[in-house]
Amino acid sequence: AQSVAQPEDQVNVAEGNPLTVKCTYSVSGNPYLFWYVQYPNRGLQFLLKYITGDNLVKGSYGFEAEFNKSQTSFHLKKPSALVSDSALYFCAVRDMAAGNKLTFGGGTRVLVKP
Amino acid sequence: GAVVSQHPSRVICKSGTSVKIECRSLDFQATTMFWYRQFPKQSLMLMATSNEGSKATYEQGVEKDKFLINHASLTLSTLTVTSAHPEDSSFYICSAFRGFESEKLFFGSGTQLSVL
Repeated sequence: AQSVAQPEDQVNVAEGNPLTVKCTYSVSGNPYLFWYVQYPNRGLQFLLKYITGDNLVKGSYGFEAEFNKSQTSFHLKKPSALVSDSALYFCAVRDMAAGNKLTFGGGTRVLVKP
Repeated sequence: GAVVSQHPSRVICKSGTSVKIECRSLDFQATTMFWYRQFPKQSLMLMATSNEGSKATYEQGVEKDKFLINHASLTLSTLTVTSAHPEDSSFYICSAFRGFESEKLFFGSGTQLSVL
């Protein structure tokens, strides 16, 4: 069975500082990895994905994530955080053996302070 | 970009009543839609996979008689919470699958259900 872990419930960072949101995963086959962002009372918005290819993936709003197979991690990063980045972030994995079903991590709330 | 419309955004109902939530793909055909439930400060839990023209596939622990799913057309799936109780209060989110890769999974804006 596939699983995703986001070890931090909340991350606080000052505006302009680097932001990192951690994610580790477990799948039986090759992982398809995703990051989504959720603003209050809203649905999820796609940020980026890793399917294959370069380990460093660039996505929307200046976010990027690095796939590390040996550490089974897919941490989300942004070099300079904005107050508007404050939201709930979800890491998700899709195992091809499980069809198109996504398994989400528990979510990490990001609070960027001015 | 593709849009998924979910309605209503918020509903308050009395215990024992049924509530229907609609999920529509506005500019694409969605053969598969997913229904998620989200508790406050928690992750999304997949409830069921809705396939157009066939019965929904429910995740373990989800009562199919409680949460009725109908995917009657390629652009509409509905979730009906039957005989709602306060413990059913939650944020329900639908998503529609457009293509092969999961970034083509587009999410509705969610429905906050409060059962009194």
